[in-house]
Amino acid sequence: NAGVTQTPKFQVLKTGQSMTLQCAQDMNHEYMSWYRQDPGMGLRLIHYSVGAGITDQGEVPNGYNVSRSTTEDFPLRLLSAAPSQTSVYFCASSRQSGTGYYGYTFGSGTRLTVV
Amino acid sequence: ILNVEQSPQSLHVQEGDSTNFTCSFPSSNFYALHWYRWETAKSPEALFVMTLNGDEKKKGRISATLNTKEGYSYLYIKGSQPEDSATYLCARNTGNQFYFGTGTSLTVIP
Repeated sequence: NAGVTQTPKFQVLKTGQSMTLQCAQDMNHEYMSWYRQDPGMGLRLIHYSVGAGITDQGEVPNGYNVSRSTTEDFPLRLLSAAPSQTSVYFCASSRQSGTGYYGYTFGSGTRLTVV
Repeated sequence: ILNVEQSPQSLHVQEGDSTNFTCSFPSSNFYALHWYRWETAKSPEALFVMTLNGDEKKKGRISATLNTKEGYSYLYIKGSQPEDSATYLCARNTGNQFYFGTGTSLTVIP
């Protein structure tokens, strides 16, 4: 049972480049989300999805796009990378949406540097 | 309180000491309160999910309580061990969104 798999683990981008961070879970979790973690800021929600075909914005969505074509996958796209997007990104999933009754399972994180 | 706040930001305790820290959150629109344990170079791992006022949860030497009316939760560690060293995060759920605190960094000195 792999849990939540994030790729890549590390990435360096030049300003203006685009890329996709991959996230896949094999637990049939309904809810998936992306967070960024910055020093002194805690984990901040970028986008989330309550099921295939449904996505919504979190606290800090600007500069990012997501899609959820399957239950398993929830990729995060950086449209035109900026130095302010240098951060550690975590994908997380949970069994059920709308109640918070189940804890998150987190991926191992992607450390992104934009130069 | 607009955000989830955790205190203290960090603490150092001696092995064998018991300790506790606080998570404060807005009491309105409350669904659930989560605690996570986050070791360096790893991902956060869920410790507890609490939903009802007065909830108490326990896992080994770690326990947590919840007061939804006044908007706080306590995490207790009894007889701290070096392997308890980690950052402890709390998160408030408002339905489909989670709001995390910045965590309490615990160092247990052997």
